Amino acid sequence: NAGVMQNPRHLVRRRGQEARLRCSPMKGHSHVYWYRQLPEEGLKFMVYLQKENIIDESGMPKERFSAEFPKEGPSILRIQQVVRGDSAAYFCASSPPSGGRYEQYFGPGTRLTVT
Amino acid sequence: GQSLEQPSEVTAVEGAIVQINCTYQTSGFYGLSWYQQHDGGAPTFLSYNGLDGLEETGRFSSFLSRSDSYGYLLLQELQMKDSASYFCAVTLEWGKLIFGQGTELSVKP
Repeated sequence: NAGVMQNPRHLVRRRGQEARLRCSPMKGHSHVYWYRQLPEEGLKFMVYLQKENIIDESGMPKERFSAEFPKEGPSILRIQQVVRGDSAAYFCASSPPSGGRYEQYFGPGTRLTVT
Repeated sequence: GQSLEQPSEVTAVEGAIVQINCTYQTSGFYGLSWYQQHDGGAPTFLSYNGLDGLEETGRFSSFLSRSDSYGYLLLQELQMKDSASYFCAVTLEWGKLIFGQGTELSVKP
């Protein structure tokens, strides 16, 4: 059973460009969470999605950031007009249909560098 | 809002026992989780406490006291490979995790 997959693993963007980060949850998992981690810090919750629904986006910046989890295909975290402060590691995690209350399975992360 | 406090660094020797404490302030608390992260890689789940008391999984144990808003992770028979960052995380509604800043554990020979 493949784990959570994220791609790309590393992404370099110039200021003002768009970044698209993809996350494929574990097979059978229908809940996806996105977290951001700055160097030497803990992970910060961004958004929680189920298939075709955003359940909680309280951690997402109001502007430039969006997320989706379509019926088919991976979950996408999209950052428009990136700025240097967006440079971070972005992790997604998935959990089974019962929810991620007890355990979440994390992907390897996407390291975004904005130049 | 939510906040968690845990020590930033802990050092111990191989074979020893180490305890990493975590205090939290939050609303909508479901439980306390612990995750391990090596060198900025994927965090991996270690344990979850939804009720007061001790949970044991091999060399790792975790404790929770809801009334004190306090928990700890206990690592026994430390090995070099245990050198990593350890995060406590409060579990809220929907399974949303609010993480502490992490404790960097260094295991010395």
